[in-house]
Amino acid sequence: AQSVTQLGSHVSVSEGALVLLRCNYSSSVPPYLFWYVQYPNQGLQLLLKYTTGATLVKGINGFEAEFKKSETSFHLTKPSAHMSDAAEYFCAVGETGFQKLVFGTGTRLLVSP
Amino acid sequence: DTAVSQTPKYLVTQMGNDKSIKCEQNLGHDTMYWYKQDSKKFLKIMFSYNNKELIINETVPNRFSPKSPDKAHLNLHINSLELGDSAVYFCASSQEYSNQPQHFGDGTRLSIL
Repeated sequence: AQSVTQLGSHVSVSEGALVLLRCNYSSSVPPYLFWYVQYPNQGLQLLLKYTTGATLVKGINGFEAEFKKSETSFHLTKPSAHMSDAAEYFCAVGETGFQKLVFGTGTRLLVSP
Repeated sequence: DTAVSQTPKYLVTQMGNDKSIKCEQNLGHDTMYWYKQDSKKFLKIMFSYNNKELIINETVPNRFSPKSPDKAHLNLHINSLELGDSAVYFCASSQEYSNQPQHFGDGTRLSIL
């Protein structure tokens, strides 16, 4: 069965600092991996996805993530945090043939001036 | 030009009542979903429909009944509401294949008094 673990329910950074949000997955077949962002009182917005091909994936708002099969990880990074990045971030895994996503428990990113 | 729209945005009602949430997507997608997000922000899939046909039912109580009149609409009817049903319910849609990202509505916050 698929599962996703997001380490750290809260991550605090200063504006301009590196953002690193961790995601590890479990899947019996090559996975599809997604990062979503949720701003207060809004739905989830896709940041980026990995399906096949290049393991370094670039997304919106300067975020990127690297698929590392050997580590079963898909960590999200951004070189320089902005105040507007403060939100809840969710990692999700999907599998071929199954039209459902399994989400991690989310990481709240706090950005201080 | 809203892609996935849900109504109502807020729903406050008493235990034992019956209520419905409506969802419409204008993206031309074949697959629609209902998710429940609890107070700890955990997201779990409830149902998935593909071309009006139920394909995923994740052991949701039968008080919850989804209905898809056409592939652009997926409504959720809840009978005999209980305190534990208080949550944010999200509708989502995607193209048929499991490597395609899901697009989310802004959610319906259901509060049971």
